[in-house]
Amino acid sequence: AQKITQTQPGMFVQEKEAVTLDCTYDTSDPSYGLFWYKQPSSGEMIFLIYQGSYDQQNATEGRYSLNFQKARKSANLVISASQLGDSAMYFCAMREAGYSSASKIIFGSGTRLSIRP
Amino acid sequence: GAVVSQHPSRVICKSGTSVKIECRSLDFQATTMFWYRQFPKKSLMLMATSNEGSKATYEQGVEKDKFLINHASLTLSTLTVTSAHPEDSSFYICSARSGTGARQPQHFGDGTRLSIL
Repeated sequence: AQKITQTQPGMFVQEKEAVTLDCTYDTSDPSYGLFWYKQPSSGEMIFLIYQGSYDQQNATEGRYSLNFQKARKSANLVISASQLGDSAMYFCAMREAGYSSASKIIFGSGTRLSIRP
Repeated sequence: GAVVSQHPSRVICKSGTSVKIECRSLDFQATTMFWYRQFPKKSLMLMATSNEGSKATYEQGVEKDKFLINHASLTLSTLTVTSAHPEDSSFYICSARSGTGARQPQHFGDGTRLSIL
């Protein structure tokens, strides 16, 4: 069974600093996808970044990058130059069997990130 | 980009009432939609996978008779919480995928905050 672990329940970071949110996963499926979502206090889920298990390079999307270490089964999210608007809950997620329409996304427990001005 | 609309955004009703939540994919066809439940300050827990034209697949521990799911068309799935009680109060979020490829992100509705008095 797939499993996602986020060991940081909460983090405080000074504005403009970089921050790394940890995520480790466990799966026996060689084909999987890893996602990061942001959930502000209003509740909506905002897709940030995706990494496929066969991708050779780490994914990047603007200020977001994913530090993918396949052998260690980790997929940490790095936010460069943090902003006050980055304060939110961040969820790491995984989907196995990526080519099946029924494959489901499972979420980690989340990390609450708070940016200090 | 792809958008998922969820309605209503907030419901407050008396114990014993049945509540229907709609999830629509606005600009794409979604053969599969997913329903999640989120308790305060907790992660999203997958409740069921909704398949167009067939029965939903429920996760272990989710009561099928309590949470009725209907996927009537390629753009609409509904979740009905039958005879709701205070313990059913939660944040419910639907999600849909626009394709079967591994890189296809899952798009989320804005959620429904259900409060049972």
